[in-house]
Amino acid sequence: QQQVKQSPQSLIVQKGGISIINCAYENTAFDYFPWYQQFPGKGPALLIAIRPDVSEKKEGRFTISFNKSAKQFSLHIMDSQPGDSATYFCAASPHGSSNTGKLIFGQGTTLQVKP
Amino acid sequence: NAGVTQTPKFQVLKTGQSMTLQCAQDMNHNSMYWYRQDPGMGLRLIYYSASEGTTDKGEVPNGYNVSRLNKREFSLRLESAAPSQTSVYFCASSDRRQGNYGYTFGSGTRLTVV
Repeated sequence: QQQVKQSPQSLIVQKGGISIINCAYENTAFDYFPWYQQFPGKGPALLIAIRPDVSEKKEGRFTISFNKSAKQFSLHIMDSQPGDSATYFCAASPHGSSNTGKLIFGQGTTLQVKP
Repeated sequence: NAGVTQTPKFQVLKTGQSMTLQCAQDMNHNSMYWYRQDPGMGLRLIYYSASEGTTDKGEVPNGYNVSRLNKREFSLRLESAAPSQTSVYFCASSDRRQGNYGYTFGSGTRLTVV
């Protein structure tokens, strides 16, 4: 069973600080790594994504770092704001699922940014 | 501008009852998915439909059935609900052929089985 393991389960950060969420996967057969943000009572929404041929991708205050050899990828939220308080999911798409787009999700991280 | 629409938003069932969760997307996406979300478990794939006319099991298919009615609609049926099926259910769609690798999710159905 292909798996994606996410940590920490919960995270509390002061406003202006850096939030870091980590994910690890167990095999090399993934070709797309997105992050989703979910607010209470809503469905997850795509935040940022990366492919394994790139080591880093930045969009505004959000950055994905990807370490192919370690089979790890992480989300960094710079200058964290109370509005960033949400649940974050990492995910990975199995290689060969180009016709299905199937995603395997991590367990989720609940982020609270204190004012 | 609707995206993915799920109905109902909330439902309470008694053990053994059946129901169908409805999902429709208006983005002309090829693939559709049903996930369940449980605390500490993340999102787990129940069933998916890579294209109209095809359906496949995901990670946790037991107790569920699906129907891809047409390109827009993908329903999830619980034939005999059990308390273990208490969860939040999300439908999603994507289409890699359109370059849409990321999912668009619906707003979810919160199901309680008593």
